[in-house]
Amino acid sequence: AQKVTQAQTEISVVEKEDVTLDCVYETRDTTYYLFWYKQPPSGELVFLIRRNSFDEQNEISGRYSWNFQKSTSSFNFTITASQVVDSAVYFCALTQDTGNQFYFGTGTSLTVIP
Amino acid sequence: ETGVTQSPTHLIKTRGQQVTLRCSSQSGHNTVSWYQQALGQGPQFIFQYYREEENGRGNFPPRFSGLQFPNYSSELNVNALELDDSALYLCASSVMIFSGRETQYFGPGTRLLVL
Repeated sequence: AQKVTQAQTEISVVEKEDVTLDCVYETRDTTYYLFWYKQPPSGELVFLIRRNSFDEQNEISGRYSWNFQKSTSSFNFTITASQVVDSAVYFCALTQDTGNQFYFGTGTSLTVIP
Repeated sequence: ETGVTQSPTHLIKTRGQQVTLRCSSQSGHNTVSWYQQALGQGPQFIFQYYREEENGRGNFPPRFSGLQFPNYSSELNVNALELDDSALYLCASSVMIFSGRETQYFGPGTRLLVL
């Protein structure tokens, strides 16, 4: 069975602080794909990153960075020097190599206070 | 912007009615997936269509049905609406090369309220 857990329901930080959003996943597949999406109040899910299970290299994109650790089944997302525009709900998702559905976590609502 | 559009943006229906939601996929995308997102929850997979055929279904009853058209636009139909069907309905388009691995691009959703 596939499952994604985002234990942090809500996080508030003051602008310019760093924040890490946790994602823990469960799967019996050896090949799988992990994603992060951002959902602003408008509702549209915005794609941030895709990572396959064979690539454990951490990735940095501007103020965003992702830490993928297969040993702990985690795919954490860090925002450095947070900004008010980062306020949104962030979802982690998992999909199998042979399959067609995304399994989403329950999301983490991030509020960045000016 | 993802290039995926949905209509209508908001809809109010009463219990027992039927509803049709529409989605226009991103150009070149041959696969569409539909999700239901209840308040405070993550999206739940309803079903996926690839080349006008259903290509997988989540844990939703048969009163949830869909269509995909040759131009890759699609519809989600829900019959005999229940109060619990109130949610944000999202469609996502992708290119089917190999199942599962392709990034899905989401539309802005349709907010359905069932009274």
